[in-house]
Amino acid sequence: DAGVIQSPRHEVTEMGQEVTLRCKPISGHNSLFWYRQTMMRGLELLIYFNNNVPIDDSGMPEDRFSAKMPNASFSTLKIQPSEPRDSAVYFCASSLGQGATYNSPLHFGNGTRLTVT
Amino acid sequence: AQTVTQSQPEMSVQEAETVTLSCTYDTSENNYYLFWYKQPPSRQMILVIRQEAYKQQNATENRFSVNFQKAAKSFSLKISDSQLGDTAMYFCAFMKHDIWGGSEKLVFGKGTKLTVNP
Repeated sequence: DAGVIQSPRHEVTEMGQEVTLRCKPISGHNSLFWYRQTMMRGLELLIYFNNNVPIDDSGMPEDRFSAKMPNASFSTLKIQPSEPRDSAVYFCASSLGQGATYNSPLHFGNGTRLTVT
Repeated sequence: AQTVTQSQPEMSVQEAETVTLSCTYDTSENNYYLFWYKQPPSRQMILVIRQEAYKQQNATENRFSVNFQKAAKSFSLKISDSQLGDTAMYFCAFMKHDIWGGSEKLVFGKGTKLTVNP
């Protein structure tokens, strides 16, 4: 299994531009999570999906952020317009079954490092 | 809301020695799960060890073991015979138990940067 695949690995963009981060979960996993990692705030959950349906988006910072999961094998996180404070590493993770459980912990992708100048 | 605290931003240890990373958490839940994840410079998040709160026996995975003190809400990670490859950020994480089998999220601490010196 290739694991959770994220693209791009690095993204540099200018303030005001639209940014789209992509994620392919592990085949057969029913839940998908988007986390953001910064030095100041650590790992924060932005949103997670179960069977392609958003379950909890309370961590999405503001309306500039949106996430979609059109099918079981693909998800996107979009920031429009981007701002310098959005600079962070964005992780996608997936798990088998009804969200993350003890027996089905999260499997993370390698993350996308976003830099907004 | 649950919180996870890792009070040691950085630690170092000599190769082959033992090191303990601390983690405390705050919750009103009685049933939950605890995890330690490792993040090497490659940035990948790797599950190291996990513990069920209702189990009194401490989890062990090869050189990694935990000291779970439920009353004190403490969940420390001990790494024995440290190796250079153990150099990484280590994150403690909490997840509450959903009796209906619903979705749950991991709440992470801010991490401890561990350096293993040759």
